[in-house]
Amino acid sequence: DGGITQSPKYLFRKEGQNVTLSCEQNLNHDAMYWYRQDPGQGLRLIYYSQIVNDFQKGDIAEGYSVSREKKESFPLTVTSAQKNPTAFYLCASSIVGKGGRETQYFGPGTRLLVL
Amino acid sequence: AQTVTQSQPEMSVQEAETVTLSCTYDTSESDYYLFWYKQPPSRQMILVIRQEAYKQQNATENRFSVNFQKAAKSFSLKISDSQLGDAAMYFCALLNYGGSQGNLIFGKGTKLSVKP
Repeated sequence: DGGITQSPKYLFRKEGQNVTLSCEQNLNHDAMYWYRQDPGQGLRLIYYSQIVNDFQKGDIAEGYSVSREKKESFPLTVTSAQKNPTAFYLCASSIVGKGGRETQYFGPGTRLLVL
Repeated sequence: AQTVTQSQPEMSVQEAETVTLSCTYDTSESDYYLFWYKQPPSRQMILVIRQEAYKQQNATENRFSVNFQKAAKSFSLKISDSQLGDAAMYFCALLNYGGSQGNLIFGKGTKLSVKP
């Protein structure tokens, strides 16, 4: 089946620890994205990547880092510099067409909790 | 600045009836996409329907349809014959055409309850 997978489903972080959230897609999409969702809120963009080995900061990139070494994979690292990491994290992907980045499809999400 | 506003934090509908969720937006671009996404309790975001701004015809997907009023910058979602499985958060989102100009902007969502 084609789709987007995220792992783990739940992740616990200790103070001062870096953690990495996985996102993989087999849709052959060029662009991938990471969003953060807080309770009662819409989604806010953390980072996005339109092509391998290139990525751009979104609205709330501080305390996060990403890499895009393969087209299929876009892992997100939540660093110790992110002081309030408890949230639901969603990964998405899209094609890049004539109009730029187009309809985004989402993975099932990862819930990050701080111990 | 681009904004998306959903003025109804919560809505309720009786099973088998029709409900309309409201969304207004603001953008200085003339070409853009608008979306409705559904987020059920599982929290996965599911695309419900998409509208290209250059198309005058309102998009329809089975029981879901939109009323797109470009001049008024309004993009409402109508759900017909509501089912229990329609209960979810619904998010309206805007994406400017020509991707590098901006990103997907979400409203804060409307929580839809369906009563049996």
